[in-house]
Amino acid sequence: GQQLNQSPQSMFIQEGEDVSMNCTSSSIFNTWLWYKQDPGEGPVLLIALYKAGELTSNGRLTAQFGITRKDSFLNISASIPSDVGIYFCVGGTYKYIFGTGTRLKVLA
Amino acid sequence: DGGITQSPKYLFRKEGQNVTLSCEQNLNHDAMYWYRQDPGQGLRLIYYSQIVNDFQKGDIAEGYSVSREKKESFPLTVTSAQKNPTAFYLCASSKGNNQPQHFGDGTRLSIL
Repeated sequence: GQQLNQSPQSMFIQEGEDVSMNCTSSSIFNTWLWYKQDPGEGPVLLIALYKAGELTSNGRLTAQFGITRKDSFLNISASIPSDVGIYFCVGGTYKYIFGTGTRLKVLA
Repeated sequence: DGGITQSPKYLFRKEGQNVTLSCEQNLNHDAMYWYRQDPGQGLRLIYYSQIVNDFQKGDIAEGYSVSREKKESFPLTVTSAQKNPTAFYLCASSKGNNQPQHFGDGTRLSIL
């Protein structure tokens, strides 16, 4: 099955730093979703994007739906230790395609 | 509170044995899904159901079976034909196809 290209695969950052990750695809999507998964738990929806160019925030998180409809990025500002986890992007048309995940580790 | 409940949290399977993973939702969602997650990997779709008494194969359906007799329930059976069943299994539901999916907390299946 098709999967999105998500980068970086993993990253270590210092507490307080800003984080940026992105997803790219060769296909056009109508919807972009961003999820966070804590170890041993299911993914939790962070942000949903439905229109090209849309920029949406949820607290310290900001995500954008790329204008070409083939990419999306997620920014986390002023990271804290509880931001650790795996972040997945999901592109949707008639079905959803999951990215491979970005593993974030925050150093206090 | 509304949500998705998966049970058990941990499950062990003997060689040649079928095991069934439970998924129940009280969100009144029409669509339900089963995913498999291997270490360091993304999610791969096993089966999905858009309505009661109907379901379709996902990308990796071989060795698995499902049923959707009730709107709230979508159990997954891992059969003996699945030769590499060790993984983290996630169930999800959504209001309809193409709506954001909400996930349960997963079942970790291991081989004895």
